[in-house]
Amino acid sequence: GNSVTQMEGPVTLSEEAFLTINCTYTATGYPSLFWYVQYPGEGLQLLLKATKADDKGSNKGFEATYRKETTSFHLEKGSVQVSDSAVYFCALSDSGGSNYKLTFGKGTLLTVNP
Amino acid sequence: NAGVMQNPRHLVRRRGQEARLRCSPMKGHSHVYWYRQLPEEGLKFMVYLQKENIIDESGMPKERFSAEFPKEGPSILRIQQVVRGDSAAYFCASSPSGTRSYEQYFGPGTRLTVT
Repeated sequence: GNSVTQMEGPVTLSEEAFLTINCTYTATGYPSLFWYVQYPGEGLQLLLKATKADDKGSNKGFEATYRKETTSFHLEKGSVQVSDSAVYFCALSDSGGSNYKLTFGKGTLLTVNP
Repeated sequence: NAGVMQNPRHLVRRRGQEARLRCSPMKGHSHVYWYRQLPEEGLKFMVYLQKENIIDESGMPKERFSAEFPKEGPSILRIQQVVRGDSAAYFCASSPSGTRSYEQYFGPGTRLTVT
């Protein structure tokens, strides 16, 4: 079955540092890939997505590129802010008719200190 | 707030009791999904519902768990005769249509503790 493996946390950075959170996946077919973010006390929010190989998703300074050859979708941001402190989840959707079925990684807690 | 609403946010039940978790989708959304997050694991798909229909329940445990999304009112995830292994965070999500059903909007979750 499908699976997602992401970097173990927690990750602690200083403001303006560079962020990378690694994510690799195993899936059949051609899944879509996502990063979700969960701020304290809130639900998961879609941060960015990529639906085919070599697509780059980007939002709020974050970006990730769908790499089929390495089955990866690493999240990056050039300069993090305190407000980016949250849990980040990498996810993929099934191919075809059951694309509503999302598979998530365990989540990575990011703390950004001023 | 027009987001996905879940209640209660925290629920404590003794073994053998019933747990009822409620989810109100975003306004205009008619597709609801339930996910479960066990400790130290990622979210796992449980069930996909549309109004008055269960579309896919392949992720639901075969016994004690049921879900509904009636014509009126919230979606309900019901767990009968809870056991300690049911302790988890249960997330509900909604989407506006089937064609982009992978773009799901999540609620804050209900944390169920079974004592």
